[in-house]
Amino acid sequence: GEDVEQSLFLSVREGDSSVINCTYTDSSSTYLYWYKQEPGAGLQLLTYIFSNMDMKQDQRLTVLLNKKDKHLSLRIADTQTGDSAIYFCAEIHSGYSTLTFGKGTMLLVSP
Amino acid sequence: GAVVSQHPSRVICKSGTSVKIECRSLDFQATTMFWYRQFPKQSLMLMATSNEGSKATYEQGVEKDKFLINHASLTLSTLTVTSAHPEDSSFYICSARKLAGGNNEQFFGPGTRLTVL
Repeated sequence: GEDVEQSLFLSVREGDSSVINCTYTDSSSTYLYWYKQEPGAGLQLLTYIFSNMDMKQDQRLTVLLNKKDKHLSLRIADTQTGDSAIYFCAEIHSGYSTLTFGKGTMLLVSP
Repeated sequence: GAVVSQHPSRVICKSGTSVKIECRSLDFQATTMFWYRQFPKQSLMLMATSNEGSKATYEQGVEKDKFLINHASLTLSTLTVTSAHPEDSSFYICSARKLAGGNNEQFFGPGTRLTVL
Protein backbone atom coordinates (compact mmCIF):
# COMPACT_ATOMS: atom_id res chain seq x y z
CA GLY A 1 0.00 0.00 0.00
CA GLU A 2 0.90 3.62 -0.19
CA ASP A 3 3.07 5.20 2.45
CA VAL A 4 3.95 8.83 2.98
CA GLU A 5 6.69 9.82 5.41
CA GLN A 6 7.59 13.20 6.87
CA SER A 7 9.96 14.43 9.52
CA LEU A 8 7.98 15.35 12.61
CA PHE A 9 9.44 18.68 13.62
CA LEU A 10 11.25 21.69 12.20
CA SER A 11 12.31 24.83 14.00
CA VAL A 12 13.47 27.98 12.21
CA ARG A 13 13.98 31.64 12.95
CA GLU A 14 11.72 34.29 11.52
CA GLY A 15 13.02 35.48 8.15
CA ASP A 16 14.86 32.24 7.38
CA SER A 17 13.72 29.74 4.78
CA SER A 18 12.01 26.54 5.86
CA VAL A 19 12.22 23.30 3.95
CA ILE A 20 9.80 20.53 4.80
CA ASN A 21 10.50 17.16 3.26
CA CYS A 22 8.26 14.27 2.33
CA THR A 23 8.86 10.87 0.77
CA TYR A 24 6.29 8.58 -0.74
CA THR A 25 6.32 5.04 -2.03
CA ASP A 26 3.62 4.97 -4.69
CA SER A 27 5.22 5.62 -8.05
CA SER A 28 1.81 5.99 -9.68
CA SER A 29 0.94 9.09 -7.67
CA THR A 30 -0.60 11.67 -9.95
CA TYR A 31 -1.10 14.60 -7.64
CA LEU A 32 0.86 15.63 -4.58
CA TYR A 33 -0.40 18.22 -2.13
CA TRP A 34 0.73 20.32 0.77
CA TYR A 35 -1.79 21.20 3.46
CA LYS A 36 -1.39 23.49 6.46
CA GLN A 37 -3.18 22.91 9.75
CA GLU A 38 -3.21 25.57 12.45
CA PRO A 39 -4.05 24.55 16.02
CA GLY A 40 -7.65 23.44 16.42
CA ALA A 41 -8.47 24.06 12.77
CA GLY A 42 -9.08 22.04 9.65
CA LEU A 43 -6.67 21.68 6.78
CA GLN A 44 -5.94 24.45 4.34
CA LEU A 45 -4.70 23.51 0.88
CA LEU A 46 -1.50 25.41 0.28
CA THR A 47 -0.39 24.13 -3.08
CA TYR A 48 -0.21 21.05 -5.23
CA ILE A 49 1.93 19.69 -8.01
CA PHE A 50 1.24 17.30 -10.83
CA SER A 51 3.47 14.28 -11.03
CA ASN A 52 4.79 15.38 -14.43
CA MET A 53 6.19 18.60 -13.00
CA ASP A 54 9.51 19.13 -11.24
CA MET A 55 8.84 22.44 -9.60
CA LYS A 56 6.05 24.81 -8.81
CA GLN A 57 6.37 28.25 -7.31
CA ASP A 58 3.57 30.21 -5.70
CA GLN A 59 4.63 33.42 -3.98
CA ARG A 60 6.69 32.38 -0.94
CA LEU A 61 6.10 28.69 -1.55
CA THR A 62 8.24 26.48 -3.77
CA VAL A 63 7.46 22.82 -4.28
CA LEU A 64 10.15 20.52 -5.66
CA LEU A 65 9.39 17.02 -6.85
CA ASN A 66 12.03 14.37 -7.49
CA LYS A 67 10.12 11.50 -9.01
CA LYS A 68 13.14 9.24 -9.25
CA ASP A 69 13.68 9.41 -5.50
CA LYS A 70 9.96 9.86 -4.74
CA HIS A 71 10.81 12.96 -2.74
CA LEU A 72 8.70 16.07 -2.35
CA SER A 73 9.70 19.24 -0.56
CA LEU A 74 8.01 22.48 0.40
CA ARG A 75 10.19 25.55 0.77
CA ILE A 76 8.77 28.58 2.55
CA ALA A 77 10.79 31.72 1.91
CA ASP A 78 11.03 34.47 4.54
CA THR A 79 9.24 32.34 7.12
CA GLN A 80 6.97 34.27 9.46
CA THR A 81 5.63 33.43 12.91
CA GLY A 82 2.22 33.02 11.30
CA ASP A 83 3.63 30.12 9.33
CA SER A 84 3.90 28.09 12.54
CA ALA A 85 1.58 25.14 12.00
CA ILE A 86 1.56 21.49 11.06
CA TYR A 87 2.21 20.79 7.40
CA PHE A 88 0.90 17.62 5.79
CA CYS A 89 1.93 16.23 2.47
CA ALA A 90 -0.55 14.00 0.72
CA GLU A 91 -0.75 12.07 -2.48
CA ILE A 92 -3.40 10.62 -4.70
CA HIS A 93 -3.12 8.52 -7.80
CA SER A 94 -5.36 7.83 -10.72
CA GLY A 95 -8.01 5.24 -10.11
CA TYR A 96 -8.34 6.13 -6.46
CA SER A 97 -10.32 8.87 -4.84
CA THR A 98 -8.68 8.98 -1.43
CA LEU A 99 -5.74 10.95 -0.21
CA THR A 100 -2.88 9.33 1.64
CA PHE A 101 -1.43 11.69 4.23
CA GLY A 102 1.90 11.85 5.93
CA LYS A 103 1.92 12.24 9.71
CA GLY A 104 2.61 15.94 9.45
CA THR A 105 5.60 18.17 10.20
CA MET A 106 5.25 20.68 12.98
CA LEU A 107 6.94 23.93 11.96
CA LEU A 108 7.85 26.27 14.78
CA VAL A 109 8.98 29.76 13.83
CA SER A 110 10.69 31.76 16.53
CA PRO A 111 11.08 35.55 16.48
CA GLY B 1 -13.10 29.93 -3.66
CA ALA B 2 -13.99 26.55 -2.30
CA VAL B 3 -15.30 26.83 1.22
CA VAL B 4 -16.39 23.94 3.36
CA SER B 5 -18.14 24.51 6.66
CA GLN B 6 -18.81 22.20 9.56
CA HIS B 7 -21.34 22.50 12.30
CA PRO B 8 -21.00 22.41 15.20
CA SER B 9 -17.40 23.39 15.70
CA ARG B 10 -17.37 21.96 19.20
CA VAL B 11 -19.74 19.63 21.00
CA ILE B 12 -19.76 18.06 24.44
CA CYS B 13 -22.19 15.24 25.08
CA LYS B 14 -22.97 12.56 27.60
CA SER B 15 -22.01 8.97 27.04
CA GLY B 16 -24.77 7.05 25.26
CA THR B 17 -26.18 9.99 23.34
CA SER B 18 -25.93 10.54 19.58
CA VAL B 19 -24.29 13.50 17.92
CA LYS B 20 -24.79 14.76 14.38
CA ILE B 21 -22.10 16.72 12.56
CA GLU B 22 -22.87 18.57 9.33
CA CYS B 23 -20.49 19.24 6.49
CA ARG B 24 -21.46 21.70 3.78
CA SER B 25 -19.75 22.88 0.64
CA LEU B 26 -20.78 26.52 0.53
CA ASP B 27 -19.85 27.70 -2.94
CA PHE B 28 -19.49 24.56 -4.99
CA GLN B 29 -21.11 21.22 -5.58
CA ALA B 30 -19.27 18.21 -4.26
CA THR B 31 -19.41 14.82 -5.93
CA THR B 32 -17.71 13.22 -3.03
CA MET B 33 -17.27 14.06 0.62
CA PHE B 34 -14.87 12.44 3.00
CA TRP B 35 -14.90 12.08 6.76
CA TYR B 36 -11.68 11.96 8.72
CA ARG B 37 -10.81 11.52 12.34
CA GLN B 38 -7.73 13.04 13.87
CA PHE B 39 -6.24 12.07 17.21
CA PRO B 40 -4.01 14.55 19.06
CA LYS B 41 -0.69 15.12 17.32
CA GLN B 42 -1.50 12.54 14.69
CA SER B 43 -2.37 12.49 11.05
CA LEU B 44 -5.83 12.22 9.63
CA MET B 45 -7.46 8.82 9.47
CA LEU B 46 -9.98 8.41 6.69
CA MET B 47 -13.19 6.99 8.08
CA ALA B 48 -15.46 6.90 5.06
CA THR B 49 -16.10 8.23 1.59
CA SER B 50 -19.59 9.31 0.64
CA ASN B 51 -21.07 10.03 -2.75
CA GLU B 52 -24.32 11.92 -3.10
CA GLY B 53 -27.30 9.61 -3.24
CA SER B 54 -25.44 6.40 -2.51
CA LYS B 55 -24.21 4.50 0.51
CA ALA B 56 -20.95 5.53 2.08
CA THR B 57 -17.85 3.40 1.71
CA TYR B 58 -16.26 2.79 5.08
CA GLU B 59 -12.61 2.12 5.72
CA GLN B 60 -11.58 -1.10 7.35
CA GLY B 61 -12.12 -1.04 11.09
CA VAL B 62 -14.72 1.74 11.04
CA GLU B 63 -18.11 0.60 12.30
CA LYS B 64 -20.81 1.70 9.88
CA ASP B 65 -23.55 1.28 12.47
CA LYS B 66 -21.63 3.47 14.87
CA PHE B 67 -20.78 6.24 12.43
CA LEU B 68 -23.80 6.88 10.23
CA ILE B 69 -23.17 8.93 7.12
CA ASN B 70 -25.86 10.52 5.00
CA HIS B 71 -24.99 12.42 1.83
CA ALA B 72 -28.38 13.83 0.94
CA SER B 73 -27.33 16.49 -1.56
CA LEU B 74 -24.35 17.74 -3.52
CA THR B 75 -23.63 20.27 -0.78
CA LEU B 76 -24.39 18.44 2.44
CA SER B 77 -23.11 15.35 4.20
CA THR B 78 -23.78 14.42 7.81
CA LEU B 79 -21.94 12.16 10.21
CA THR B 80 -23.87 10.85 13.20
CA VAL B 81 -21.93 9.29 16.03
CA THR B 82 -24.43 6.95 17.63
CA SER B 83 -24.35 5.95 21.29
CA ALA B 84 -21.18 7.94 21.79
CA HIS B 85 -18.57 6.80 24.28
CA PRO B 86 -15.52 8.60 25.68
CA GLU B 87 -13.25 6.78 23.22
CA ASP B 88 -15.16 8.49 20.39
CA SER B 89 -13.85 11.83 21.61
CA SER B 90 -11.78 13.21 18.78
CA PHE B 91 -11.45 15.90 16.13
CA TYR B 92 -13.64 15.07 13.13
CA ILE B 93 -12.85 16.75 9.83
CA CYS B 94 -14.76 16.54 6.58
CA SER B 95 -13.56 17.37 3.11
CA ALA B 96 -15.29 17.79 -0.22
CA ARG B 97 -14.21 17.36 -3.81
CA LYS B 98 -15.67 19.49 -6.57
CA LEU B 99 -18.21 18.14 -9.02
CA ALA B 100 -16.51 19.73 -11.99
CA GLY B 101 -13.13 21.19 -12.69
CA GLY B 102 -10.46 21.25 -10.06
CA ASN B 103 -7.43 19.00 -9.79
CA ASN B 104 -8.74 16.33 -7.48
CA GLU B 105 -8.17 18.69 -4.58
CA GLN B 106 -10.06 18.08 -1.42
CA PHE B 107 -11.19 21.15 0.46
CA PHE B 108 -11.40 20.69 4.18
CA GLY B 109 -13.83 21.92 6.75
CA PRO B 110 -12.63 23.55 9.98
CA GLY B 111 -13.28 20.43 12.01
CA THR B 112 -15.56 19.49 14.89
CA ARG B 113 -14.16 18.77 18.33
CA LEU B 114 -16.27 16.06 19.98
CA THR B 115 -15.89 15.43 23.70
CA VAL B 116 -17.89 12.59 25.21
CA LEU B 117 -18.16 12.66 28.98
